[in-house]
Amino acid sequence: KAGVTQTPRYLIKTRGQQVTLSCSPISGHRSVSWYQQTPGQGLQFLFEYFSETQRNKGNFPGRFSGRQFSNSRSEMNVSTLELGDSALYLCASSLDVAGANEQFFGPGTRLTVL
Amino acid sequence: QQQVKQSPQSLIVQKGGISIINCAYENTAFDYFPWYQQFPGKGPALLIAIRPDVSEKKEGRFTISFNKSAKQFSLHIMDSQPGDSATYFCAASTNKFYFGSGTKLNVKP
Repeated sequence: KAGVTQTPRYLIKTRGQQVTLSCSPISGHRSVSWYQQTPGQGLQFLFEYFSETQRNKGNFPGRFSGRQFSNSRSEMNVSTLELGDSALYLCASSLDVAGANEQFFGPGTRLTVL
Repeated sequence: QQQVKQSPQSLIVQKGGISIINCAYENTAFDYFPWYQQFPGKGPALLIAIRPDVSEKKEGRFTISFNKSAKQFSLHIMDSQPGDSATYFCAASTNKFYFGSGTKLNVKP
């Protein structure tokens, strides 16, 4: 079974731009969660989508948004990029709702904001 | 506030030694406790996990010890190898995951 895939793997943007990241979960997995990883803050939960609905949300500003499609693929969007948004963005999938099940992470998208 | 506290921040162990990483939590509703291993440039990979109805789980050289009354759990890596050098994260979950701050392990040859 193929693992979680994320595209693109690397991205360089400038302040004020917007960006869309994509995640394809493991086949059959219905939950997709997004995390931001930085050296200073560690792994921080952004949001979880399950069956096309946002099930949980972390403490991030409204500039961070996401969605999930009927095939469980998910996208994350960050608008009006700030320097502090530079991070590794990780996507994780679960068979069912996250929290009760194993989560499997993708390789991440490294976003650099200049 | 930090839901899961992890220590130490970094750890240096000689090859063949035992690596021990500790985590503590407050929320008694947590019912799943996984450990992840992350190599540079990669996403975290699930290493081993435990549920609160057992006190210990062993998989190969990796063991989780769980103390429900103390609200603590730890990862033990026996016979540590240079290939184990990575960052380790503990986590706890109820309806979502909370991660520890990570431990950078360096196993010296």
